[in-house]
Order: sequence, then C-alpha cells, then structure tokens
Amino acid sequence: QVQLLESGPGLVKPSQTLSLTCTVSGGSISSGTFYWSWIRQPAGKGLEWIGRIYASGRTNYNPSLKSRVTISVDTSKNQFSLNLSSVTAADTAVYYCARDSGYDPDYFDYWGQGTLVTVSS
Amino acid sequence: EIVLTQSPGTLSLSPGERATLSCRASQSVSSSYLAWYQQKPGQAPRLLIYGASSRATGIPDRFSGSESGTDFTLTISRLEPEDFAVYYCQQYGSSPETFGQGTKVEIK
Repeated sequence: QVQLLESGPGLVKPSQTLSLTCTVSGGSISSGTFYWSWIRQPAGKGLEWIGRIYASGRTNYNPSLKSRVTISVDTSKNQFSLNLSSVTAADTAVYYCARDSGYDPDYFDYWGQGTLVTVSS
Repeated sequence: EIVLTQSPGTLSLSPGERATLSCRASQSVSSSYLAWYQQKPGQAPRLLIYGASSRATGIPDRFSGSESGTDFTLTISRLEPEDFAVYYCQQYGSSPETFGQGTKVEIK
C-alpha cells in the first residue's frame, strides 16, 4: 500500500519561498510509470493542481503558478519536493502530495494527509 | 482551461435516500476523463470514480458515475451514514486538470 507524507514549515513569511517535501513509502518513486503531484486547497475552498514530476525529473506545472513553482525529485530518498516562491496570503492552504496513475494529465489515486501552510508575517 | 460547475452546492438528504450530484464541463472532456472524489473534514480526498464511470478499488457499488455530453453525474443509490461528505469532480482530459467547487451532502 503506497503512503505519502508531507512535511515542512507550517508558517512562511510573505515574499519568501514555501518549501515542502513528500516522502513516499510502500513503493519506489523510480519504479513503475507513475507521476507525483502537488495539489492545494485553501480553507473552505476547492482543489487546485500545482504540478507534477516523473522519476526522470520531467515536470509539468499549472500555468497559473508556473512562474513561481519548482518541483524536484530525490529518488535516493524516495521523496519529491515543492518550492513556491514569492508567496502571499493567497497561498495559504492545505498542501497535498499525491500519486497519479501514470499519465499527464491524470487523476489521483493516492494522497498524503495534507499539511497546512499559512503565509503570514 | 476547462471549468467544471457542480450542482447543487448543498444536498440535504436522509440516510437510505438516493443522491444525484451533477458536474457540468465548460467544454468537451476528452475521452470521458472525469473523476469523482469524496472528502471528509480534516481528510484528504478519496478517489471514487475515474473514466466517468469506473469505480476505484474498494469503492462500494452504491456509487456510480455516468455522462451525457458535457454533463457528468455521480449517483449514490442509498446513502449510508459514512457517505455524508463533500464530493468533487475533476477533469483530466486536458492540461491543466481542474476540479469543480464541490457539492456537500449533508444529513437532513
């Protein structure tokens, strides 16, 4: 059973960079044909796909965030990471990491529990 | 990008009743690439349906999905107490994938 767990600071100051890591267990990031995504959800609102990465390092980002997003992968640690630069209060949300079934775009079959990131001074 | 509009915003029903949730796409969704998720408070979304009508692993058969053109429907045939939650549709036919704003199914 694949499990994903997000980690990182819960509070980020405006204009700084939000950095989160997703640790995958129960399966190897570098095996199979899966992509690995970040998705966010502001409180009381809907879901927004941020971007995805393949084990090879190939990425695809949501155009609405592309200028500020970098997703990277560390196959040796079975982790992938999100960096979101120049954050504002609008970036306050629960951030989820998720696995999709191997296509781009795709649906998401495994999700992490989510981590709340608040942007505030 | 494709905009998904879900209706109603809230559905008030009793256990045992049938729930019908709608998701309308602003344009055609390629190859019926639409998924449905269930989300309970404080939890991550859970995949219910993909490909408009295929149930994900372990999902009870009281959940079913259908489509008619750009209109997609999630039906819960008989609501169980654990089914009261928020439901989201998501299209993955074109990039970026997008989600609807959600329908809350609450106990009447």
